Amino acid sequence: GAGVSQSPSNKVTEKGKDVELRCDPISGHTALYWYRQSLGQGLEFLIYFQGNSAPDKSGLPSDRFSAERTGGSVSTLTIQRTQQEDSAVYLCASSTGADTQYFGPGTRLTVL
Amino acid sequence: AQKVTQAQTEISVVEKEDVTLDCVYETRDTTYYLFWYKQPPSGELVFLIRRNSFDEQNEISGRYSWNFQKSTSSFNFTITASQVVDSAVYFCALRSAGGTSYGKLTFGQGTILTVHP
Repeated sequence: GAGVSQSPSNKVTEKGKDVELRCDPISGHTALYWYRQSLGQGLEFLIYFQGNSAPDKSGLPSDRFSAERTGGSVSTLTIQRTQQEDSAVYLCASSTGADTQYFGPGTRLTVL
Repeated sequence: AQKVTQAQTEISVVEKEDVTLDCVYETRDTTYYLFWYKQPPSGELVFLIRRNSFDEQNEISGRYSWNFQKSTSSFNFTITASQVVDSAVYFCALRSAGGTSYGKLTFGQGTILTVHP
């Protein structure tokens, strides 16, 4: 079946602009996760959804970052007033409840 | 707090050599899960194996094998008769079985494996 999909695959933006990153989980997966991968920080957890609610937002680095999930499916990660340190690959994963997380191909964000 | 340490930053081997990737973890949880993921040059994280903390039985899958030792908090991964296609970054990860951090994977820094022909 189809895996996790993310769009866009690449995004280049100017400092100060807002960006939206989208994640489509595997059909039927109730849990969805966002991570960030950068050279200096490795793989970092951002936020986790169970259904449409987010029990753990502890990894969001600042209030410029927010995420929502609607219909228990698609999720959007929004970064407002982007900064150069936001440049990274943003990875989405999904799972059935407590099971193994399967990752999408990621969105590479470059902030100029 | 949870922590995963992969002390080997880079490993280089010649094809057909065996190679072991080390992973040591720290957690206060009594029940947890351990994972290995592979990230080939294409960039996508590929799931390899999951281990429950209450199951210390080692596992072999083809050329891959895993050695879980709770007493030393280690979960090492061995590739037998390595191949060029095994070249990738390998990540060890840890997740709680409960609590507010239940969904979060804590990753090690990764080990870059290069297999030369």
